[in-house]
Amino acid sequence: GQNIDQPTEMTATEGAIVQINCTYQTSGFNGLFWYQQHAGEAPTFLSYNVLDGLEEKGRFSSFLSRSKGYSYLLLKELQMKDSASYLCAVRISSNTGKLIFGQGTTLQVKP
Amino acid sequence: KAGVTQTPRYLIKTRGQQVTLSCSPISGHRSVSWYQQTPGQGLQFLFEYFSETQRNKGNFPGRFSGRQFSNSRSEMNVSTLELGDSALYLCASSEQGAGEKLFFGSGTQLSVL
Repeated sequence: GQNIDQPTEMTATEGAIVQINCTYQTSGFNGLFWYQQHAGEAPTFLSYNVLDGLEEKGRFSSFLSRSKGYSYLLLKELQMKDSASYLCAVRISSNTGKLIFGQGTTLQVKP
Repeated sequence: KAGVTQTPRYLIKTRGQQVTLSCSPISGHRSVSWYQQTPGQGLQFLFEYFSETQRNKGNFPGRFSGRQFSNSRSEMNVSTLELGDSALYLCASSEQGAGEKLFFGSGTQLSVL
């Protein structure tokens, strides 16, 4: 089967740094995605990793280790608007829009 | 470009009824995927359509079906609704469905009473 694990909830302080971890055990691997979803809204794309290493995009960075089945999303200089659910998803084969999602991590940013 | 549009935004149905949800992808996108989102199960893949053909299917019963039209618009249908079908149904589109990111619509919130 396919298994993707993320912490259910996290809390952090405005201006701080938070790291959201994701571990996966899947039958195949063709890339890992991070999406952000605010309550009642559509998930929006944050990052995509297919090779090992760190991808940086502004305040957001994502890391992948394929050998360890591990990724993390790093959010710097947290803002109140970063309070949302963060979804880790794996594409297990190419040429498909099928993603396997984790349950999501609800991040609450406090003043 | 307009984003992914899903209609209706909210639906209330009773057990045993059927429902049809609609999704208009971003212009030029040929791949449309459908997902079910519930608090307990998270996002689960239903099926994907590409060029009017179902390319992938998730582990849902046959009551869940879909189709795609020549203009890439897609519909999904759920027959004989059950209470457990209450969920947010999300549609996502991509140009080719070949590794690029998905763009999600805001979803249809279905409540089955």
